[in-house]
Amino acid sequence: DSGVTQTPKHLITATGQRVTLRCSPRSGDLSVYWYQQSLDQGLQFLIQYYNGEERAKGNILERFSAQQFPDLHSELNLSSLELGDSALYFCASSVGIATVNTEAFFGQGTRLTVV
Amino acid sequence: DAKTTQPTSMDCAEGRAANLPCNHSTISGNEYVYWYRQIHSQGPQYIIHGLKNNETNEMASLIITEDRKSSTLILPHATLRDTAVYYCIGHQGAQKLVFGQGTRLTINP
Repeated sequence: DSGVTQTPKHLITATGQRVTLRCSPRSGDLSVYWYQQSLDQGLQFLIQYYNGEERAKGNILERFSAQQFPDLHSELNLSSLELGDSALYFCASSVGIATVNTEAFFGQGTRLTVV
Repeated sequence: DAKTTQPTSMDCAEGRAANLPCNHSTISGNEYVYWYRQIHSQGPQYIIHGLKNNETNEMASLIITEDRKSSTLILPHATLRDTAVYYCIGHQGAQKLVFGQGTRLTINP
């Protein structure tokens, strides 16, 4: 158990809909990262938050947005869903940005299926 | 993050040492070498990291060449549960991790 909790584990929804994925980081971790992994594809970095502020952005679609709340949990919002958005979405957390010698811990992911 | 090059796939017999190479010739002086693995659709799992010196933990050993242009991850006694995709990443911890394609390691009985 990495200590990172993602909910829900599975999500099936229709095209055009909007969903919210939730991530609770490890206790004490200030940084949260979101990744997307499509079938047989690599892990694509989407976005990073540190202590409530957006820190880095990857190839995240405009239909996707995220935020980190004061209690440090994070949500990834996916809207106007398309079939191609079907993927595993992983959240990871790490201690912070000031520490260069630290590892990231990943949740077990949310499997999103768009039908 | 430094660009890394890893073999696409490798096989290893159960009980033997699995040696996974990684080239990271563009790694900068303040980037660590990190190794993660992903067991079929699970979240990636941190294995080990190092800067210059060789490192060992309960999971694996990491051997980094003196010029830091390459490294080898060693799983000393591979088991079937070590079958996974292994990622080598040149990285400053706490920044975003950029995953390449990794090495698909298959442990054979």
